[in-house]
Amino acid sequence: GAGVSQSPSNKVTEKGKDVELRCDPISGHTALYWYRQSLGQGLEFLIYFQGNSAPDKSGLPSDRFSAERTGGSVSTLTIQRTQQEDSAVYLCASSSHRDSQHFGDGTRLSIL
Amino acid sequence: GQQVMQIPQYQHVQEGEDFTTYCNSSTTLSNIQWYKQRPGGHPVFLIQLVKSGEVKKQKRLTFQFGEAKKNSSLHITATQTTDVGTYFCAGTGIQGAQKLVFGQGTRLTINP
Repeated sequence: GAGVSQSPSNKVTEKGKDVELRCDPISGHTALYWYRQSLGQGLEFLIYFQGNSAPDKSGLPSDRFSAERTGGSVSTLTIQRTQQEDSAVYLCASSSHRDSQHFGDGTRLSIL
Repeated sequence: GQQVMQIPQYQHVQEGEDFTTYCNSSTTLSNIQWYKQRPGGHPVFLIQLVKSGEVKKQKRLTFQFGEAKKNSSLHITATQTTDVGTYFCAGTGIQGAQKLVFGQGTRLTINP
C-alpha cells in the first residue's frame, strides 16, 4: 500500500519567504510527527498530532513555525520568514497507536 | 519530560568487528523501538521490544530490553559494510501523551 508521502521533495527559497511543507500519512494512522534533521545530525522533534487531541508543539523552535492537521489526515508545516538556519531535511512520520513509525522521504529545504 | 539518551554518538569499526549501541531513558518505558537510517535515506523500523528483559534477534542483530524497562541495547555481530548507517532507539513512556521519543542516534561507519 501507499506509504507516507511528502511534498515537495526539494524546496529552495530565499531568506524571508514563507514555505509550506506537506505530509500525507498512511491512511488510518492516528499519530503524525514532524522532525527536522540537519546534515549528519539526529532527529529533532518538532510537533506531534495524536487523533483529536491538542497537538504537542513543544519542539517547535520559534513562533515562525506552525503546523496543522486537517481532518485527522494531511498535515502542513509552515515556516514563516525563513532563515538560513532553517535549512534542513524535514521528515514526517505516521503511526497507529503504539505501533512503529513510518517515515516519508522528507523535504530537503534550502534557504538562500 | 521524558528523555532518551544514546551512546556512543559515533562508532567506527573494522569490517568483521562487533558493534553495540546503548539507549537509556529517564523514565520507565512501555516499549522501545529501534530504527536504522542509511546515508541519504529516512529511518526505517527494525524492531519493537515490549517485555521486561526481552531479547530478540534478527540474523546478526541482537536487541535487548532491560529488566527495569529503562534501557536497551543493539548488538551487531561481525559487522558488514551493509550495516553502515545511523541507529536510533525510540521509546514511549508509560504515562502522558504516549509520544515516541527518539535518542540522538549512533552513527556507524565501517572500514572494509
